[in-house]
Amino acid sequence: EIVMTQSPATLSVSPGERATLSCRASQSVSSSLAWYQQKPGQAPRLLIYGASTRATGIPDRFSGSGSGTEFTLTISSLQSEDFAVYYCQQYNDWPPMYTFGQGTKLEI
Amino acid sequence: QVQLQESGPGLVKPSETLSLTCAVSGYSISSGYYWAWIRQPPGEGLEWIGSTYHSGNTYYNPSLKSRVTISVDTSKNQFSLNLSSVTAADTAVYYCTRHPTGSGYCYPWGQGTLVTVPS
Repeated sequence: EIVMTQSPATLSVSPGERATLSCRASQSVSSSLAWYQQKPGQAPRLLIYGASTRATGIPDRFSGSGSGTEFTLTISSLQSEDFAVYYCQQYNDWPPMYTFGQGTKLEI
Repeated sequence: QVQLQESGPGLVKPSETLSLTCAVSGYSISSGYYWAWIRQPPGEGLEWIGSTYHSGNTYYNPSLKSRVTISVDTSKNQFSLNLSSVTAADTAVYYCTRHPTGSGYCYPWGQGTLVTVPS
């Protein structure tokens, strides 16, 4: 099983600032990496897939980068609605054995 | 647009079988995509349970494989999850979602349904 490790567990940032979230895989997942945003009481929402492709309707202040084992989600100028928990997910395995990171809570 | 909606009992007794259904609207299950279940214990992270294709091709998380069955009903445009011999550790919000064939990024997601197994 590929283990995904996110850091930091909690990130405190002010509105308008940049946030950088990290995700590390225990072995290479190529570019098979997605990022999700989850707000309290809501389902996760896909932000990024293929490590760097924004999903439909996602603002361009969200960007993803990386490949292999090291990945980054950057939010360029934080808006109030961006404060949430963010998860990374690898989907490199076939047959599927998809795994998620433990999440980074982005707080004001 | 595609919408998914979970339904099923919110309380299941220990040792019994948890059964949930995901109704899909705005897209035909038979048109493609894998259809998946993912769960999230209260205050914890996400765990992939398994995925199924309309042809019946199904994959499960090895840690749950002995207790899980996911099936598709194309006539009703829905798919289902059965998890047997549940314990309190199976208490979670259960989400249904879909992902492309050959890839695993999931969108959209159902709103989720909380299933509680008392200890």
